[in-house]
Amino acid sequence: EVQLVESGGGLVKPGGSLRLSCAASGFTFSNYNMNWVRQAPGKGLEWVSSISSSSSYIYYVDSVKGRFTISRDNAKNSLYLQMNSLRAEDTAVYYCARDWAGTWSIQHWGQGTLVTVSS
Amino acid sequence: QSALTQPRSVSGSPGQSVTVSCTGTSSDVGGDNYVSWYQQHPGKAPKLMIYDVTQRPSGVPDRFSGSKSGNTASLTISGLQAEDEADYYCCSYAGSYTYVFGTGTKVTVL
Repeated sequence: EVQLVESGGGLVKPGGSLRLSCAASGFTFSNYNMNWVRQAPGKGLEWVSSISSSSSYIYYVDSVKGRFTISRDNAKNSLYLQMNSLRAEDTAVYYCARDWAGTWSIQHWGQGTLVTVSS
Repeated sequence: QSALTQPRSVSGSPGQSVTVSCTGTSSDVGGDNYVSWYQQHPGKAPKLMIYDVTQRPSGVPDRFSGSKSGNTASLTISGLQAEDEADYYCCSYAGSYTYVFGTGTKVTVL
């Protein structure tokens, strides 16, 4: 069974930093592209960042470019999101999400971790 | 990277059909056949319901179907059931490993 378990969320002040982690199990992690998707309270889903299976390709939504860094460790079956210079508008539940190999859709989602940016 | 446009809400009685639209551009929805749909119940993670415009993952009831015409994709729920009440989001591949989601639609079962 595919499992994606996020951790690292919490309360942080504006301008602060946080590192999210996602522990993957139940599949060959190194074979799949991975994503971070966020959802602000009461709002819709927003794709944040993606990383290819071998980390060769990395992309971000414009609003986080230069502030967030996605990375992965295939030996540890783990995905990360380093978030710096956090703003109030970054407050959201952050989901770790796995692509469906062979097509472009998100097949599996974690349960999410809440990041709150507030003074 | 503008969000795809969905109606804020749609509703129907049990047994009826409802359709949720999703309008984008030729750079996303209209550009290829990589439109997917997600169901999200309150407090839960999204669940993939449709991929590649029309395909249903294993375990998704066949009352859920998808289609596309030009820059607009649609999700149809036939034989609406109480458990179908949820938020639904479309999503399109936008090139270069990026995705764009729709604004979301609340489906209410009357």
